[in-house]
Amino acid sequence: SQTIHQWPATLVQPVGSPLSLECTVEGTSNPNLYWYRQAAGRGLQLLFYSVGIGQISSEVPQNLSASRPQDRQFILSSKKLLLSDSGFYLCAWSVRGRQPQHFGDGTRLSIL
Amino acid sequence: GEDVEQSLFLSVREGDSSVINCTYTDSSSTYLYWYKQEPGAGLQLLTYIFSNMDMKQDQRLTVLLNKKDKHLSLRIADTQTGDSAIYFCAESKEGDTGRRALTFGSGTRLQVQP
Repeated sequence: SQTIHQWPATLVQPVGSPLSLECTVEGTSNPNLYWYRQAAGRGLQLLFYSVGIGQISSEVPQNLSASRPQDRQFILSSKKLLLSDSGFYLCAWSVRGRQPQHFGDGTRLSIL
Repeated sequence: GEDVEQSLFLSVREGDSSVINCTYTDSSSTYLYWYKQEPGAGLQLLTYIFSNMDMKQDQRLTVLLNKKDKHLSLRIADTQTGDSAIYFCAESKEGDTGRRALTFGSGTRLQVQP
């Protein structure tokens, strides 16, 4: 069966520090991969999606970037974190060209 | 543009039925989904319904779709304290991926009183 892993689960970082969140999927090939952010008490905002290795599409202008160095690995990064980057970050995957999406357990990021 | 709306909060007593409602605007939506998010956790896919169906039942969960009114509901029978969570409605169209992946509502917080 397919599983999705995100780490770390919780992260506290100072303003201006770099960021790297990792997401990996097991049990499937060529998935679509997604990064979402969820602000406190709010819905989900799609940040990035990827349909293949090295193929990244950004949804909103922001301080973050994403990369997909391997088929089942999706990384969310920043060179310098801002206070506004705080939130709950969720990775998701779906079968290529299909729904539904399946979510990881998320990373709670706090910026001090 | 596409939009999915849900009420923010619902409180029920343990053992009662819960009904969470959702409306959407895109009449070409093909699939409609219900996700559950427990505190501090990711989203768990509960169930989904294809747009040519009116109803889908899965144990304590019943999904009703009124395509004419673009209204989706999730009924939880015999609600338990473990059902306390945020429930997200979402929609998609056949073949849509990437940017048109899923459109989510803002979530309904279900509080179950013992």
